[in-house]
Parts: sequence; C-alpha cells; structure tokens
Amino acid sequence: DTAVSQTPKYLVTQMGNDKSIKCEQNLGHDTMYWYKQDSKKFLKIMFSYNNKELIINETVPNRFSPKSPDKAHLNLHINSLELGDSAVYFCASSQDRAGGAFFGQGTRLTVV
Amino acid sequence: EDQVTQSPEALRLQEGESSSLNCSYTVSGLRGLFWYRQDPGKGPEFLFTLYSAGEEKEKERLKATLTKKESFLHITAPKPEDSATYLCAVQAGGTYKYIFGTGTRLKVLA
Repeated sequence: DTAVSQTPKYLVTQMGNDKSIKCEQNLGHDTMYWYKQDSKKFLKIMFSYNNKELIINETVPNRFSPKSPDKAHLNLHINSLELGDSAVYFCASSQDRAGGAFFGQGTRLTVV
Repeated sequence: EDQVTQSPEALRLQEGESSSLNCSYTVSGLRGLFWYRQDPGKGPEFLFTLYSAGEEKEKERLKATLTKKESFLHITAPKPEDSATYLCAVQAGGTYKYIFGTGTRLKVLA
C-alpha cells in the first residue's frame, strides 16, 4: 500500500497550458509538502501545509497554486506553463511540521 | 543566509571500503538535520533525523553524527546496493523551512 502517491507520474504538455498534479498520503500525517527537483537534482521546497493551513510559501511564481482539501490530500495546480517549469515535482508528508518527510515517486513534468 | 553544502559531490568506493560523507550547514536555529537516500527515478527515502550536537543514529551499515557545524554519514563496509545519492537537509527553527544540499552521488563497485 503506497504511503505517498502522486499522479500522474509523467506529464508532457505544451507551453501555455494549465495542469494539475494530485497527491494523497495514507500515513495519517499532519504536514504535506511540494518540492521541485531541477535538472541538476537540486531539491527546493515550494509549499507546505500543516492541518490544511499553508505554513511555507517560498518564492514561487503565482502561476503555482497549492490546494489542500483535507489533511490527506495536497494538489498542485500550474497555470500558463512555461518551458522553465520542466522538472520533477515531489509531494511529501511528515507526521508534524518538524519531522522527517516521506516522499512520493515524483511527477516528471515536461513542457514543450 | 541558511545554507547546506555536501561533499564530495561524487564518491566511488570498492565494496567493503568504508568512508564518510560530509554535510556542512549554516542555519539560524537548527530544528533538525535529516539524511535521505535517493535512487534514480525515485523520491528521496528518509534515513535519519538528528536534533542536537553529539547525537548519533545508526541503521545497518550507516551511521550519522552531528556537530554544531556539520554532520557526517559514515558508511561501513558498503555493498553495491548502497549506491545512491545521499541528501542532507536542515530545518530552520523559526520558519520550519527545509534547505537541502546538492547531494553526494555514491557508487559502490563489486
């Protein structure tokens, strides 16, 4: 039973399109995250939610909008996709805001 | 500015050849230091959390230690299956923000 699952695993889309990535965790954790891993494999936090409340909102273009309908889900919506948005996006969760995180398998987004 | 630096960038070891990976950090109020392992095409896998200087954690062939300025991940008698990228991250006290290092790519040769 997958602990943190995100869909889709691969996403290829054209510039200017709007897309969403979904994430669900079945660990009962309170905190969820979105990370971006660039081509050099550098992981950077984008957002974090704790009990559905946004607690970390890094300097990310406002084309990126997270949404947490409940504690177990954190989705990422991206408007007007640009070439530079191509990366692997990871969802993660942790028991609380101060713990080690469990990551999903990643969504490889390619914008053409 | 909060920062994490890992060294070396890449490391090749023969099977059974023990070594250490380094994670140096500067952060305003360390809340925790984390080690992860990442295999190609997969998400990072959580290994350890260290909270205070002098703390040590062990798991199989891995041992993580922490000082006020750096952490070491010691790998004892590594096997080829230990080949992966090892990532270090710190969490800043006030903001709860995580900062990752760029990782050490470890290759263990049979």
